[in-house]
Amino acid sequence: DIQMTQSSSYLSVSLGGRVTITCKASDHINNWLAWYQQKPGNAPRLLISGATSLETGVPSRFSGSGSGKDYTLSITSLQTEDVATYYCQQYWSTPPTFGAGTKLELK
Amino acid sequence: QVQLQQSGPELVKPGASVRISCKASGYTFTSYYIHWVKQRPGQGLEWIGWIYPGNVNTKYNEKFKGKATLTADKSSSTAYMQLSSLTSEDSAVYFCARDYYGSSLMDYWGQGTSVTVSS
Repeated sequence: DIQMTQSSSYLSVSLGGRVTITCKASDHINNWLAWYQQKPGNAPRLLISGATSLETGVPSRFSGSGSGKDYTLSITSLQTEDVATYYCQQYWSTPPTFGAGTKLELK
Repeated sequence: QVQLQQSGPELVKPGASVRISCKASGYTFTSYYIHWVKQRPGQGLEWIGWIYPGNVNTKYNEKFKGKATLTADKSSSTAYMQLSSLTSEDSAVYFCARDYYGSSLMDYWGQGTSVTVSS
């Protein structure tokens, strides 16, 4: 199975600031990488697919980048509603696997 | 609009089984895969398997073979997951989610069903 590692379990962030969340795969996943946002008590929400493609309705302050094994989710001008836990997921191989999540906390 | 409506919370005894449902609406049920994902309290997401209602093919995470059984009823556009021989390790929230290409990219999710295993 491909292991997905999100190096930060928590990030302390400021409203209006820029956030970068990283995700590293244990093998190359050819950009078959998704990012999900999850708020307490809610289901995950798909934000980005194919490492860089923003889903319909997702604000443009979200962006994804990366290649090979290393991927990044960026949020510019952080809003209150962005405070959540973010998960990466590879869907290059079966079983699909998720990172452990990065929880954003306001400073 | 696309909706996946899951059944309500379950409190079950150790050793018992439970069946969770996921009723789809707003799209063609037989054209999309349905995945099931487990989330233990305060923890991450774990893929259990998928079912393709069009031909009821299934694929399971090796870890959940023998634990989970996926079925689907085309007439009611409902997918089901049965969990058997329950232990405290099975206490979790279980989500269903749909996927068009069978790529395991999940674009819409149900609200989750909480399963608590306790005597």
